[in-house]
Amino acid sequence: NAGVTQTPKFQVLKTGQSMTLQCAQDMNHNSMYWYRQDPGMGLRLIYYSASEGTTDKGEVPNGYNVSRLNKREFSLRLESAAPSQTSVYFCASSEGTSGRARGTQYFGPGTRLTVL
Amino acid sequence: GIQVEQSPPDLILQEGANSTLRCNFSDSVNNLQWFHQNPWGQLINLFYIPSGTKQNGRLSATTVATERYSLLYISSSQTTDSGVYFCAVSSNDYKLSFGAGTTVTVRA
Repeated sequence: NAGVTQTPKFQVLKTGQSMTLQCAQDMNHNSMYWYRQDPGMGLRLIYYSASEGTTDKGEVPNGYNVSRLNKREFSLRLESAAPSQTSVYFCASSEGTSGRARGTQYFGPGTRLTVL
Repeated sequence: GIQVEQSPPDLILQEGANSTLRCNFSDSVNNLQWFHQNPWGQLINLFYIPSGTKQNGRLSATTVATERYSLLYISSSQTTDSGVYFCAVSSNDYKLSFGAGTTVTVRA
């Protein structure tokens, strides 16, 4: 199992450009998440998808859109990148069903994004 | 949202030492997780522990939900334990709120 994979690993954009960050998981998890991590801080939730076909805003959703393409894939789109979106982006997934494993989240390796 | 405070912010240990990291949170939770972020940036889930005590090798964790805190114990620390330890909590299973982390440096 690859777990949670993210592409690309690194990206440099100019202000105003758009891009999509891709995330896929092979653990048959129902729930998926996008976070950003800024220097010296913990992670902040951007959007999440509790189950296939649903998405909800997290703590910092402005400037982002998401698509839950199918059960495996959850993408994050920046329509018009801004320097304030320079960050490391992490995708995560969790089983999302009842029981103890419901909330355990497993993270991808991250995408380091720089907006000039 | 739920406020999460971790202490200490930084910890320097000699290899073989023991340590305790603390996480305080501001409201009732049904989800609490401890993560380790290694020096290469990878986040690894250590414990899912909304209440009670768990142990995994040299690491153990205790959450006292009624008093709104959790403790992570590292025993016989090794250089591979270096990195940032995050506590994250949620009251609805999905929306995890992360603390700012404790940076641990273990010296050989």
